[in-house]
Amino acid sequence: NAGVTQTPKFRVLKTGQSMTLLCAQDMNHEYMYWYRQDPGMGLRLIHYSVGEGTTAKGEVPDGYNVSRLKKQNFLLGLESAAPSQTSVYFCASSAASGGYNEQFFGPGTRLTVL
Amino acid sequence: KQEVTQIPAALSVPEGENLVLNCSFTDSAIYNLQWFRQDPGKGLTSLLLIQSSQREQTSGRLNASLDKSSGRSTLYIAASQPGDSATYLCAGIYNQGGKLIFGQGTELSVKP
Repeated sequence: NAGVTQTPKFRVLKTGQSMTLLCAQDMNHEYMYWYRQDPGMGLRLIHYSVGEGTTAKGEVPDGYNVSRLKKQNFLLGLESAAPSQTSVYFCASSAASGGYNEQFFGPGTRLTVL
Repeated sequence: KQEVTQIPAALSVPEGENLVLNCSFTDSAIYNLQWFRQDPGKGLTSLLLIQSSQREQTSGRLNASLDKSSGRSTLYIAASQPGDSATYLCAGIYNQGGKLIFGQGTELSVKP
């Protein structure tokens, strides 16, 4: 099993550009999450999904959109990137059962917005 | 507001020492608590998960405890090694959506 994978690993954008980050998991997990990690702020939840076709907002959703068209994939989109979105983005997944199961994280995407 | 706090922010110990990392949370209605390890520039590796009905979990040299009444969790590392050097994060889950609320982490350095 590859676990949770993320593409790309690194990306540099100019202000106003758009991009999509892809997260894929091969563990047949129901729940998937997008977090961002910033120095001094820790990890914060952006959006999450409790199943195919469903998404919900987390703590810091502004400026991001997500889609979960397939159970194994969770996409994070930035429509118009801003320097404040410079961060390391992590995707995670867990089995169902109301959050009692472990969350497994991907290796992260390091995004710089100039 | 549900908050998770880790103190100290950094810790340096000599190799071979037993150590305890602390995690405190404000809301005792916690579903479970998960400990992670993060190496510089890397993702998060799950170490231990403690469900609210449990008081502790063990994996090798690691032992994690959970005391809901006092709002505290500890991660005990026995016979520390330089390879244990990393940032250790604790995170609480409070609801059915399984969203993690993270502490700021403790950066551990084990000196040879």
